[in-house]
Amino acid sequence: GIQVEQSPPDLILQEGANSTLRCNFSDSVNNLQWFHQNPWGQLINLFYIPSGTKQNGRLSATTVATERYSLLYISSSQTTDSGVYFCAVTNYGQNFVFGPGTRLSVLP
Amino acid sequence: ETGVTQSPTHLIKTRGQQVTLRCSSQSGHNTVSWYQQALGQGPQFIFQYYREEENGRGNFPPRFSGLQFPNYSSELNVNALELDDSALYLCASTLGVGRTDTQYFGPGTRLTVL
Repeated sequence: GIQVEQSPPDLILQEGANSTLRCNFSDSVNNLQWFHQNPWGQLINLFYIPSGTKQNGRLSATTVATERYSLLYISSSQTTDSGVYFCAVTNYGQNFVFGPGTRLSVLP
Repeated sequence: ETGVTQSPTHLIKTRGQQVTLRCSSQSGHNTVSWYQQALGQGPQFIFQYYREEENGRGNFPPRFSGLQFPNYSSELNVNALELDDSALYLCASTLGVGRTDTQYFGPGTRLTVL
């Protein structure tokens, strides 16, 4: 089955710093989404981005489907951005395959 | 707020017991998927139900079973609990089979097996 890798596994930032999270996947996908999981376990959809670039406030994402990677950019990070960021893909199936996540800690 | 709710929030069981976890989907969402998330890992697909029938299954043994009801609620049942079943269990609902682009997750049930 499709494999999903994420880097870095852990990231510690000072408030106000920028960061880039990466997701690599091993096969073609028809869906890629970025999620933020808060400390209570809730997964929040950030972007539906099987290809191209999208922006939402301080967050933006780019997926280069032909090269099988996606990037999530966080600018001017805030303490509320802390949590785990997951990339999840669908390989023309009915379920997500999740990466292992990037744990982000933003310090005040 | 995703419109998907799960109960209970937390649960403690002992090895060998049986457990039932519940999920209430968004109104009109006829597809529900269940995921298991072990500590420090990404969620793993358990199975999906579409119109009350199982519609796909991940690499989980038969002691993991489910039910989906006409009122958009569903259950995950786990028999003969093992220590490794300790995890966060997430359900996700969507309108239509194969529509992961509009799949919304509940807050999860944290199961501890002692």
